[in-house]
Amino acid sequence: AQRVTQPEKLLSVFKGAPVELKCNYSYSGSPELFWYVQYSRQRLQLLLRHISRESIKGFTADLNKGETSFHLKKPFAQEEDSAMYYCALSPNSFSGGYNKLIFGAGTRLAVHP
Amino acid sequence: EADIYQTPRYLVIGTGKKITLECSQTMGHDKMYWYQQDPGMELHLIHYSYGVNSTEKGDLSSESTVSRIRTEHFPLTLESARPSHTSQYLCASSGDRVNTEAFFGQGTRLTVV
Repeated sequence: AQRVTQPEKLLSVFKGAPVELKCNYSYSGSPELFWYVQYSRQRLQLLLRHISRESIKGFTADLNKGETSFHLKKPFAQEEDSAMYYCALSPNSFSGGYNKLIFGAGTRLAVHP
Repeated sequence: EADIYQTPRYLVIGTGKKITLECSQTMGHDKMYWYQQDPGMELHLIHYSYGVNSTEKGDLSSESTVSRIRTEHFPLTLESARPSHTSQYLCASSGDRVNTEAFFGQGTRLTVV
């Protein structure tokens, strides 16, 4: 079964501390992985995708196929990083070519001054 | 300005009423989606559309129905609302390329009393 697991509902850190938001997935093929973010009173938006291999707002995420993980990391958290973060998977074997996204339950990141 | 709009943002309605949640996009996208999210839980795909006159059911069974008569418009209808329909409904759209970014609306928070 295709599933995305984010084990932490809340991650609370102080400004300047390293952050790691965990994401594990179950999928038999080679998925596309994404991180979406929702800031307070804003809509859900794409943060980064594994295929781009880029750093966005200081965040990076590496796909580890052996551990089936796609953890989101930032070396020094900022207060403006406080938001809800969702890991999402798009299976390559989807039918019809639509961009199906399977979401995790999300992790709320709270960065304290 | 290219955007995706959902109305209403909040709706409280009595059991048995018929409701329609509106979703419109000016992104020029062919693909549109409806996700349902209960508090603290994953987003689940309930409907999607490849284009005009195309609608399909998603992974999560839903008593709602959708229509796609115009490219920019993808309304969701509940013929007879029940308390079990209380949830947040998110509309999204994406372009034609595989695994391209999904753009989300602000969401409609529905409460059926």
